[in-house]
Amino acid sequence: LAKTTQPISMDSYEGQEVNITCSHNNIATNDYITWYQQFPSQGPRFIIQGYKTKVTNEVASLFIPADRKSSTLSLPRVSLSDTAVYYCLVVLSGGYNKLIFGAGTRLAVHP
Amino acid sequence: ETGVTQTPRHLVMGMTNKKSLKCEQHLGHNAMYWYKQSAKKPLELMFVYNFKEQTENNSVPSRFSPECPNSSHLFLHLHTLQPEDSALYLCASSLGTSGGAITDTQYFGPGTRLTVL
Repeated sequence: LAKTTQPISMDSYEGQEVNITCSHNNIATNDYITWYQQFPSQGPRFIIQGYKTKVTNEVASLFIPADRKSSTLSLPRVSLSDTAVYYCLVVLSGGYNKLIFGAGTRLAVHP
Repeated sequence: ETGVTQTPRHLVMGMTNKKSLKCEQHLGHNAMYWYKQSAKKPLELMFVYNFKEQTENNSVPSRFSPECPNSSHLFLHLHTLQPEDSALYLCASSLGTSGGAITDTQYFGPGTRLTVL
């Protein structure tokens, strides 16, 4: 099973770009990489998903190198409201039993 | 609002009680999930239903019993729980496919905070 490793916590300031890297050394060929955001007392919320190279949406970018053993979530110009826990998730296509959430990265954005 | 609701939001129960958690999704999805989130531990997938059929039971103790009467509703029946079962229980749904692919986005409810005394 693909296991993910993320930094436990990160600090940033408003307006900065934040990059959170996730390691998934034994990711399988058909696995996707997905990131979720979770605020206190709420369920996780989908941010972005990718398979290779780069994916960008209105809130974030996801960079995946060729070997796919890691991925980086990039949050441009963070604000105080981006303070949350961010989870990297490797999702095995073709089966429901391989949803593996990591421990998450607690991001604190300061004024 | 994600379109997934959970009730109750908070629940305190004794170890001999029987209670049920309810989840309802208004998104027209076909897959529903139960997760357990304990303090300082990663989210743990407990059960998965796809098109009302249970597809996964990740070694969850029998004191947790899921029920999915239709694609919009999911229950988690609880009996003779232990204090270590105290956690946030999250329900999620996704589009689901007949092939069981799970790359589709999951939409989570706000969770039920369970305390077992």
